[in-house]
Amino acid sequence: GQQLNQSPQSMFIQEGEDVSMNCTSSSIFNTWLWYKQDPGEGPVLLIALYKAGELTSNGRLTAQFGITRKDSFLNISASIPSDVGIYFCAGRLNFGNEKLTFGTGTRLTIIP
Amino acid sequence: GAGVSQSPSNKVTEKGKDVELRCDPISGHTALYWYRQSLGQGLEFLIYFQGNSAPDKSGLPSDRFSAERTGGSVSTLTIQRTQQEDSAVYLCASSTPQGQGEYTQYFGPGTRLTVL
Repeated sequence: GQQLNQSPQSMFIQEGEDVSMNCTSSSIFNTWLWYKQDPGEGPVLLIALYKAGELTSNGRLTAQFGITRKDSFLNISASIPSDVGIYFCAGRLNFGNEKLTFGTGTRLTIIP
Repeated sequence: GAGVSQSPSNKVTEKGKDVELRCDPISGHTALYWYRQSLGQGLEFLIYFQGNSAPDKSGLPSDRFSAERTGGSVSTLTIQRTQQEDSAVYLCASSTPQGQGEYTQYFGPGTRLTVL
């Protein structure tokens, strides 16, 4: 099945650094979502974006819905140890009760 | 309240055997989804239920895969004649309309399937 292109694939940063990752698609989505997955757990929703151009924050996290509707980015400011995990973008064609198409994931590691 | 639960958490089976994976959604959630996550990959959609019917089963990889949902609640995903390429984590999610028609999908912890 289709997967969205997500980059970078992995990141190694020091605590306190800012993080940026993005996601691109060859087709349009009308909803963009960002999830975090910890080992042995299912993904947990971080931020949902519903309008092209929308910029939304959730604490230290900021995400934007690209104006072309084919991309999105996620920024994490002042990283802390609990930010470690795998981050996935996901797109949904319509605003409703439909399947999600996921990105390939960005693994975030914090170097002590 | 209780989240989405899945059982078993781990399943090891031999090639050619059938397996059943169970999902208990959040109580009252009308929609239920199955996804598959291979090692180091993102989630791949398999099937979606609205109530007991499946409007979208386009992600099922072959006719060895089937799923049902009963009573608008519990769902089982069945894989017949398992193959080694079926090894993956199978994740279930459920959702229901919230404010402004949002449908947040809440995921269970998954079932890790290993086919020897």
